[in-house]
Amino acid sequence: KQEVTQIPAALSVPEGENLVLNCSFTDSAIYNLQWFRQDPGKGLTSLLLIQSSQREQTSGRLNASLDKSSGRSTLYIAASQPGDSATYLCAVGHNTDKLIFGTGTRLQVFP
Amino acid sequence: EAEVAQSPRYKITEKSQAVAFWCDPISGHATLYWYRQILGQGPELLVQFQDESVVDDSQLPKDRFSAERLKGVDSTLKIQPAELGDSAMYLCASSSRTGQEEKLFFGSGTQLSVL
Repeated sequence: KQEVTQIPAALSVPEGENLVLNCSFTDSAIYNLQWFRQDPGKGLTSLLLIQSSQREQTSGRLNASLDKSSGRSTLYIAASQPGDSATYLCAVGHNTDKLIFGTGTRLQVFP
Repeated sequence: EAEVAQSPRYKITEKSQAVAFWCDPISGHATLYWYRQILGQGPELLVQFQDESVVDDSQLPKDRFSAERLKGVDSTLKIQPAELGDSAMYLCASSSRTGQEEKLFFGSGTQLSVL
């Protein structure tokens, strides 16, 4: 059974810092991996999607990497801003289209 | 920009009552998902539709939960009777697979509180 773990559970940083969020999964036979952002009481917004054949994806200040063999992904946020404060969730996809989510990292960026 | 629509936004009910949630996916999206998210946890899949057919409902508590997508467009999730442990955010998502890429679009969710 696939298990997805995210570390740390919570993170508080000053504005401007570069930071890394970690995601690990137990079954490396994945189809893809997605990173989502969730604001309090809201739905999820897809940030980056990495296919199993890819190593990384970039969007603006966000960069996500994938190492299938070690069962790990990282989300790198450059020059963090208060507006980045949210919960970040990773989810692994299998060929059944089913996503397995981690429990998220709650990020707070203070001015 | 097209969005996944969900209603109601909030629902408060007493245990043993019936509740229903509605979802309208992005136009043209054949795949629709209902997820349940308990506070502090990641979403868990309840049911997945491909057009009007159920693809996966293995995690749906079928003794009290039901879901339908009659015309392959909008969908309704029902709970009868509601229990205290059903308090959670219910999220609907839709996707349109393009090759190997499948990006999910989520609605804002329905926050259910069972008293």
